[in-house]
Amino acid sequence: AQKVTQAQTEISVVEKEDVTLDCVYETRDTTYYLFWYKQPPSGELVFLIRRNSFDEQNEISGRYSWNFQKSTSSFNFTITASQVVDSAVYFCALSLNAGGTSYGKLTFGQGTILTVHP
Amino acid sequence: DAGVIQSPRHEVTEMGQEVTLRCKPISGHDYLFWYRQTMMRGLELLIYFNNNVPIDDSGMPEDRFSAKMPNASFSTLKIQPSEPRDSAVYFCASRSRAAGANVLTFGAGSRLTVL
Repeated sequence: AQKVTQAQTEISVVEKEDVTLDCVYETRDTTYYLFWYKQPPSGELVFLIRRNSFDEQNEISGRYSWNFQKSTSSFNFTITASQVVDSAVYFCALSLNAGGTSYGKLTFGQGTILTVHP
Repeated sequence: DAGVIQSPRHEVTEMGQEVTLRCKPISGHDYLFWYRQTMMRGLELLIYFNNNVPIDDSGMPEDRFSAKMPNASFSTLKIQPSEPRDSAVYFCASRSRAAGANVLTFGAGSRLTVL
């Protein structure tokens, strides 16, 4: 079975601070995908990034960056110079890469509520 | 592209009533998923379809829940009879295999309240 743990239930920062959201996962499979989704106050789930278990390169996209470390089973998400519009619930998720019935079966963490104050 | 469209956005009903949630996936997407979000259980997969055929319904909580996909552009999730513990946000998502494995596009969700 797979499990995703986001230990930080809520984080509160002031605008322009950097913030890191932690994600730790468990799986016995050797091939899998990791994801981050954002859920703004409007409620929809917005895809941010997908990472293949074979690719441990860190990624940067604007103010967002992701640090994937298989050795610690972690896939952390950092927002640099946070803004009020970053306020949302952020979900880390895991999916197997075994083909067939694994597609789209995401195991989500419980989410981290990020509040950025002006 | 209009995205995944769900209706209704909000539904309030009384225990015992039938509830039908609707979803229109993105045109050309061949996978459709129903997820449920609650405070207690978080986001969990209920069922998913590939080319209109149900592939895995192991997440459907009980016989009161049923889902159909009569064609590539429409799916329903029905709860009959509804119970207060069914109160949740129900998300529909779709995916194109060509777009890359497991990248789902979610709808805005249907918030169900059962009194």
